[in-house]
This record gives sequence, C-alpha cells and structure tokens, in this order.
Amino acid sequence: DSGVTQTPKHLITATGQRVTLRCSPRSGDLSVYWYQQSLDQGLQFLIQYYNGEERAKGNILERFSAQQFPDLHSELNLSSLELGDSALYFCASSGTGQQTRGYGYTFGSGTRLTVV
Amino acid sequence: GIQVEQSPPDLILQEGANSTLRCNFSDSVNNLQWFHQNPWGQLINLFYIPSGTKQNGRLSATTVATERYSLLYISSSQTTDSGVYFCAVWGYSSASKIIFGSGTRLSIRP
Repeated sequence: DSGVTQTPKHLITATGQRVTLRCSPRSGDLSVYWYQQSLDQGLQFLIQYYNGEERAKGNILERFSAQQFPDLHSELNLSSLELGDSALYFCASSGTGQQTRGYGYTFGSGTRLTVV
Repeated sequence: GIQVEQSPPDLILQEGANSTLRCNFSDSVNNLQWFHQNPWGQLINLFYIPSGTKQNGRLSATTVATERYSLLYISSSQTTDSGVYFCAVWGYSSASKIIFGSGTRLSIRP
C-alpha cells in the first residue's frame, strides 16, 4: 500500500456519461497530481492541486475538471465521455509544495476507465 | 521544459541476466525518481534519487546530476522484473511538475 488511495479501481461507462474519480493523498502530503495514461502511452500530466488550490495545469481537456477539498482528498470529474478517454488515471501526492519530504511522488494504484 | 530521454526503449533478456537502463535529462533537476509499472498497471516507486547511488536488493541506481543522467541497474533478472521502467524528473520552478520519460519496456524470458 503506497498510502495514496484511489477509487474506484475499475469503471466502465458509456459515451456521453460523466464520472468522478477520487483520490486520498498520503498522510501529510498537501499536493495532489492527476495523470492520464492511455494504452501503451506514457503518463500525461493533467493538473496539480496544492492545499486546495490549483497550482499547475497540463494537457487537461475542458470536459475534465478537478478539485481538492479541505480534507485534502481530490476528485477528477470527466464529462461527455468519449471512447478516446479510456485510460488509466493515476493520482499522486507529494509533500508541501516543492518540499518532497525526501521521498518524492507517491502514486496510487490508478483507476482504469473504459468508455464503451 | 525539461526533456527526458530513456534508453533503450525495449529490452528482452533471459532470466538471470543483468541490465542497465539509462535516463538523460536536458536541464538541472531538483529531483529524480525511478518507477516500475508492472503488467497490471501499478506504478511502483523504486528509487528517489536526485543524486548519488542507492541500492535495494538486486536493484541499484546512480544519478550524476552534474552530467544530467541517471542509471538503473537490475541484476540477476527475474520474470517478475518485467514491465516498463520510467524515469521521472522535476525542476526547480515553484510550479514544476514531474516529467516522465517514455520508458524502457523490459521483458524477462524464463
């Protein structure tokens, strides 16, 4: 157990639908990051939150949004889903901003989203 | 932004062989990690190694920050070592994020 919890592990949904992926960071970590990994592709950075505020944005589609709550858990909302959104979605957490607390990023086990 | 290149892209070895995976990065980095993505998709943190050398069992890693490269050594390979190995770095910017290389796909044959 890495300490980063992602739910659900698997999700199958139809095109046009909306889903929410949830992430609880490692205890004490204030930063949460979301990554997308399509089949046989590398990891693409989507968005970062730090202590409830958006810190950095990557290649995130307008149909996607995220937020980080006061208890530091984060949710990634994917709407108007398309077949091409099928992917592994990872959440990672790290220490206070640039301070990685000596262990860097810790990744959750991912949510495998299949859009049919 | 920082560019990360990993080599080789693919590696096929017999069980028991040793291997060296390389990661080159284009600019000074604040931190560097090696990850193993197993066939089930899980990303496992192997080393947090912004500089120096670390060892963990059959695996070791060396980062030479001044020359902008890192090496991951796997000795006495086992079939469970199969998967994709990613190098990831991030820079000094306050808005910096981790940048992944494209990975080395390692296949260990019994």
